[in-house]
Amino acid sequence: DVQLVESGGGLVQPGRSLRLSCAASGFTFDDYAMHWVRQGPRKGLEWVSGISWDGDIIVYADSVKGRFTISRDNAKNSLYLQMNRLRAEDMALYYCAKSDSLAAAGTEWGQGTLVTVSS
Amino acid sequence: QLVLTQSPSASASLGASVKLTCTLSSGHSDYAIAWHQQRPEKGPRYLMYLNSDGGHTKGDGIPDRFSGSSSGADRYLTISSLQSEDEADYYCQTWGTGFWVFGGGTRLTVL
Repeated sequence: DVQLVESGGGLVQPGRSLRLSCAASGFTFDDYAMHWVRQGPRKGLEWVSGISWDGDIIVYADSVKGRFTISRDNAKNSLYLQMNRLRAEDMALYYCAKSDSLAAAGTEWGQGTLVTVSS
Repeated sequence: QLVLTQSPSASASLGASVKLTCTLSSGHSDYAIAWHQQRPEKGPRYLMYLNSDGGHTKGDGIPDRFSGSSSGADRYLTISSLQSEDEADYYCQTWGTGFWVFGGGTRLTVL
């Protein structure tokens, strides 16, 4: 079975950093693009960033560009999101998701990891 | 600008059918979308891929009660024989060159 398991969330002060991880199993990780999507409290889904299967193509939402960095380690079947200069509006559940390519539907999702930004 | 519009809420009775709508912004009526279900306190679940001519491909294990159709810029998700477990938020999603766009979601209440 395909599994995506996020970790690394927690309580962090505004302006500080956090690194999220997504451990993938049950499929050939380096055959797929990967994305991060977040969901603020009582809000809808918001796409954050995507990375191609080989890491060569990376795209960010304007709201996180310059502050967040997506990366992957295909040898470890893992996806990461380095989040710097965190703001209150970054507080959300962060999901990782896989897709056949960057421009394709998300077909598998994790259960999410919660990031709380508060002083 | 690529935008997806969904009604915030819908309701239907147990055992009935419901049709949810996702509308693509002007100039994007030929885009394919995906439908996702999010039950309370759960992560999203991929339901299906739906293209502009109504052709759709469902995810693994998605019941036959779920189907998709299209008309112009509108993409539909029809759920028949509604069950209590279908009470959830439903999101449509589309994509551009490397980025994703989500609709605001429709909260479905099963009466």
